[in-house]
Amino acid sequence: GNSVTQMEGPVTLSEEAFLTINCTYTATGYPSLFWYVQYPGEGLQLLLKATKADDKGSNKGFEATYRKETTSFHLEKGSVQVSDSAVYFCALLSGSARQLTFGSGTQLTVLP
Amino acid sequence: DSGVTQTPKHLITATGQRVTLRCSPRSGDLSVYWYQQSLDQGLQFLIHYYNGEERAKGNILERFSAQQFPDLHSELNLSSLELGDSALYFCASSATGQTSYNEQFFGPGTRLTVL
Repeated sequence: GNSVTQMEGPVTLSEEAFLTINCTYTATGYPSLFWYVQYPGEGLQLLLKATKADDKGSNKGFEATYRKETTSFHLEKGSVQVSDSAVYFCALLSGSARQLTFGSGTQLTVLP
Repeated sequence: DSGVTQTPKHLITATGQRVTLRCSPRSGDLSVYWYQQSLDQGLQFLIHYYNGEERAKGNILERFSAQQFPDLHSELNLSSLELGDSALYFCASSATGQTSYNEQFFGPGTRLTVL
């Protein structure tokens, strides 16, 4: 079956530090890959996506590249801000399944 | 604001009781998905409806059921509640659910506490 493995958290960084959150996946066929963000007390928001190999998704300074050879979709940001503090979820959508399969989530805290 | 609404925002009830969670999808979206977020299980898919018909089931307990009405809103019914059912329940909607990718827009969730 499908599965997503995310870097264990929590992650604590200082403002302007570089961020990497690792994500690897197992899926049949050619999945679409996503990063969702959940701010405290809120629902999930789509941060970025990639629908085929070598695609790079980007939004709000965050980037992730769909690497089929390593089955990875690592999230990166060059300079984090306090407002980026949230929980980040890697997810995939594969084949005939319409539902998202999520990783366990990574709590990010950015200190001023 | 995703355009997906969920009510109630919070629900506190006792073991053995039954509750109904409501979701209104974004205008025009035909697909509704329900997910459960708990500390021990993470985010798990429960069930998917498309235009009133059940399309896929995930890790949904037999005590749970759902339906999608002609106006496309959906309800998730949880019965014989147990302490372990305490979780955040999200609804998401997407445009058609028929293609390989359709962005799912999530509602703010209903936090269920079973005492």
